[in-house]
Amino acid sequence: QKEVEQNSGPLSVPEGAIASLNCTYSDRGSQSFFWYRQYSGKSPELIMFIYSNGDKEDGRFTAQLNKASQYVSLLIRDSQPSDSATYLCAVNSPFSGGYNKLIFGAGTRLAVHP
Amino acid sequence: DTAVSQTPKYLVTQMGNDKSIKCEQNLGHDTMYWYKQDSKKFLKIMFSYNNKELIINETVPNRFSPKSPDKAHLNLHINSLELGDSAVYFCASSQMRGLDGAGPYAEAFFGQGTRLTVV
Repeated sequence: QKEVEQNSGPLSVPEGAIASLNCTYSDRGSQSFFWYRQYSGKSPELIMFIYSNGDKEDGRFTAQLNKASQYVSLLIRDSQPSDSATYLCAVNSPFSGGYNKLIFGAGTRLAVHP
Repeated sequence: DTAVSQTPKYLVTQMGNDKSIKCEQNLGHDTMYWYKQDSKKFLKIMFSYNNKELIINETVPNRFSPKSPDKAHLNLHINSLELGDSAVYFCASSQMRGLDGAGPYAEAFFGQGTRLTVV
């Protein structure tokens, strides 16, 4: 079982719609969760992080976390063509020595069409 | 004012050669990473250093050797390059911190990537 799983997509949504991106993780000890956006040929950039169960909103983006179900999601409201990118879910996975490592999913490609 | 910078951006080399990629961060972070992103865009952790100490060494061929002369620099040397080493290599840095008692978190900030092509 992969540590962080995402549907690779592509997820195609019309402009103005809500895009819903999902992620599941296997390590119950994980405490913090991140969404990165990666445009083609560019490096990943952080959009949001979440560490408490429930919703966290930032502008058009809402991250949702359910630790019992080991599930994280990202909603993008009023999707724009400029949102077209690959969205990477990442999870802080603790290991010995008190350290954490950031484990990424394979990413979901989002295409927003006018 | 680049936060995490790596050089070179592109690297084309022949099989069997040895090459290095350099990374520097000016964020004052304690932890630095090397990630490999393959053609399927999967970003896989290779190594992590915390204050110059190796803390993560994933299953990576020993042809790959990281070196951290200080906490702001993490270089990657690759010996005897193979076709399968072709990928984009990202350097990243992070700083562990607690947040309202919720436990440690550390988002990673990435360099612009080095596209390595082995021919």
